[in-house]
Amino acid sequence: AQSVTQLGSHVSVSEGALVLLRCNYSSSVPPYLFWYVQYPNQGLQLLLKYTSAATLVKGINGFEAEFKKSETSFHLTKPSAHMSDAAEYFCAVASNTGKLIFGQGTTLQVKP
Amino acid sequence: DTAVSQTPKYLVTQMGNDKSIKCEQNLGHDTMYWYKQDSKKFLKIMFSYNNKELIINETVPNRFSPKSPDKAHLNLHINSLELGDSAVYFCASSQGGGHQSLHFGNGTRLTVT
Repeated sequence: AQSVTQLGSHVSVSEGALVLLRCNYSSSVPPYLFWYVQYPNQGLQLLLKYTSAATLVKGINGFEAEFKKSETSFHLTKPSAHMSDAAEYFCAVASNTGKLIFGQGTTLQVKP
Repeated sequence: DTAVSQTPKYLVTQMGNDKSIKCEQNLGHDTMYWYKQDSKKFLKIMFSYNNKELIINETVPNRFSPKSPDKAHLNLHINSLELGDSAVYFCASSQGGGHQSLHFGNGTRLTVT
């Protein structure tokens, strides 16, 4: 069965600093992995998606994630945090039964 | 021209009542979903429909009944509401199921008192 674990329920960075949000997955088949962002009182919005085409995936708003099979990881990074990046971030894996399984989420706080 | 729209945005009701949440998507997608987000922000799938046919039905109390009159609409009816039903319910759609990206509505915050 597929699952994801997000390490750190809350991450705080200063504006301009590197953002690193950690996600580890478990999958018995080659995974399809996603990062979604949720701004307050809104639905989730796709940031990026890994589909085995390239291990480094670039997304919207300057985010990118690297798929590392040896580490079963799909960490999300952004070189320089902006105040508008403050939100809830979810890592997800597509199951082989057609479901999207979400991690527990990481709240990103950006301090001025 | 909202892609996935849900109504109402907020729903406050008393235990034992019956309520419905409506969802419509104008993306031309063939698959629609209901997700529940609890107070700890954990998201879990409840149902999925493909071309009006139920394809995913998680372990959800049968007080919850989804209905898809056409592939652009997926409504959620809840009977005999309980305190534990309080959550944010998200509708989503995709073209095809499985590995496709989801487009989410803005959610319906249900509060049962």
